[in-house]
This record gives sequence, C-alpha cells and structure tokens, in this order.
Amino acid sequence: QVQLVQSGAEVKKPGASVKVSCKASGYAFINYGIGWVRQAPGKGLEWMGWISPYNGNTNYAQKLQGRFTMTTDTSTSTAYMELRSLRSDDTAVYYCARDPSAFDIWGQGTMVTVSS
Amino acid sequence: EIVLTQSPVTLSLSPGERATLSCRASQSVGSFLAWYQQKLGQAPRLLIYDASNRATGIPARFSGSGSGTDFTLTISSLEPEDFAVYYCLQRRDWPKTFGQGTKVEIK
Repeated sequence: QVQLVQSGAEVKKPGASVKVSCKASGYAFINYGIGWVRQAPGKGLEWMGWISPYNGNTNYAQKLQGRFTMTTDTSTSTAYMELRSLRSDDTAVYYCARDPSAFDIWGQGTMVTVSS
Repeated sequence: EIVLTQSPVTLSLSPGERATLSCRASQSVGSFLAWYQQKLGQAPRLLIYDASNRATGIPARFSGSGSGTDFTLTISSLEPEDFAVYYCLQRRDWPKTFGQGTKVEIK
C-alpha cells in the first residue's frame, strides 16, 4: 500500500542540527511532490516547504529559509529534511506528506525535542 | 501570505447533530482549499480537496463547499469517531498556509 515511513524521534541540544528521513513505498516516488509540515506541542499545523523529487525544485517557508533544507534520493525513494541551528521553539512533531496538490498521504510523524 | 481564519475555535455538539465549520481566506484562493481531520496523537487525514471533492475512503457525511474566500465543511450527522480537530489548507499561493483549527468536542 501507499505509505510514508519516517525516521525515529530525536533529542537535540540548542544550536545542533537534525535530519529526518521519509521513505516512500507503494507509488512512483518521482511523480509526486513531498511537503513537510510541523506541529509544536498543543499547537496547529505549520507548512514548512515542498520539494519535487522529479527535478529537485523547492519552495520554502520564509521564516525557515537559511536553516532548513529539503532533499530527495530517488534511488531509495526517500525524502529528507534538515533543520540547523535548532532552538527550543523548533520542538515539534515533523511530518512529511505526499503532495500532488493537497497532502493526501502522511508519514507517522517524527518528534524532535530541542533541550539543553 | 494568505491567512486562513477558522471559526468557531471550538464546536460543542452531540453525536447525531450537524456540524458546520467555517474557513475564511484573507484573499481569494479560488477552489484551492482542502480540509483535514486530526485526532490526538495521529497524523492529519485528508477529507476534502479542491473545496468540494471527498478524498478516497471519506464517508459521504463529510461535505465541503465554497469558493473564493469563504468555505464550509459540513458533517451531516456526527459519529463518535468524528470528534477531532479540523484544519483547512490553501494551495492557491506559496507559502501554503493552514487555518488555526476547529476542535469539535462532545457536548
């Protein structure tokens, strides 16, 4: 079946970096964009960015530009997000989602905790 | 960026009642609006895309309407599993933006 499986929970110190993976299966990976969305504890959903596995085109949320990077590896049907210079307010569940237009398939989420 | 405002923040209803949720955009998004349901501890689930199209496997009691700046998600008769938080999302312009959510709780 179509699914996205994300890497496990992470605990990082302020200033560190985190890289989360999102492995796709059950569909042609290059045919659909991948979006990244995060959710701080008890808060709403925040769109972070979008990448096309087909040509690598990206679109980033302005507030994250400069410390957020999305990549894909088409040989393994895996998308990655890296967030650098972590702060306490980056503590959140990070989701990848297949994005043909609206996010139709979601990963299970990866909890990233930033704490000294 | 396009701001989506959802109302009400909380909706208290009983099973079997009709739920009407609103999403208003700060500028026209055409029909490029989606609705999601999120239960505690779970990833969001796509309910409606392009304002009025039900996603695969979504029950007929969920319906979406609207265009431009005003949109509505209607749940015709609430089932126990429908008590959750609902978000709207616009894809008309970058950045994509979510509304702040409406919690549908049991009265």
